[in-house]
Amino acid sequence: EADIYQTPRYLVIGTGKKITLECSQTMGHDKMYWYQQDPGMELHLIHYSYGVNSTEKGDLSSESTVSRIRTEHFPLTLESARPSHTSQYLCASSGRQGAYNEKLFFGSGTQLSVL
Amino acid sequence: DAKTTQPPSMDCAEGRAANLPCNHSTISGNEYVYWYRQIHSQGPQYIIHGLKNNETNEMASLIITEDRKSSTLILPHATLRDTAVYYCIVRENSGSRLTFGEGTQLTVNP
Repeated sequence: EADIYQTPRYLVIGTGKKITLECSQTMGHDKMYWYQQDPGMELHLIHYSYGVNSTEKGDLSSESTVSRIRTEHFPLTLESARPSHTSQYLCASSGRQGAYNEKLFFGSGTQLSVL
Repeated sequence: DAKTTQPPSMDCAEGRAANLPCNHSTISGNEYVYWYRQIHSQGPQYIIHGLKNNETNEMASLIITEDRKSSTLILPHATLRDTAVYYCIVRENSGSRLTFGEGTQLTVNP
């Protein structure tokens, strides 16, 4: 069983608010990722991290930011939410660097609605 | 990472084998084939992966052609709970990230 947790599961918020989506994993994984997915559409990588103090932008441009101060924690922040940010956000992690098996473990996702 | 091509949708009768194809004609020698599935709006779930030999685990079997340009995921006895979007991905095992395409929507019918 994967031990990766996302909170909140659902969030409805007004335009202009600052929000932080939480993601934590207890597997000691070095690599963590944030994907964004609209209903019925592909997953798009928006941020990833190889380890503490390492963050990179993904394939899809996003106005969100991330931080990696601790191995187990990879929060995503939107400074000023807009309706265009309405989407599902999925967090994932994968094994230690150099590990043979690089399969990803995903959290349950956060469904964000910005009014 | 090499690009993959999958049919957009497939149907399967409950209890029968579901065979999901994937083309990856530009795959390079050190790229692995991974399969994930996503049930409704949950996070994707890892199923299986392989390099060139066929692989089997408790969830599925993976058949990779000898030239490695295509593969087939086999669910031997599909159940209604196997209805999901199935993603075929190729990447180097030490690659930095996983790119998901559109996948195949598998519908298992009673």
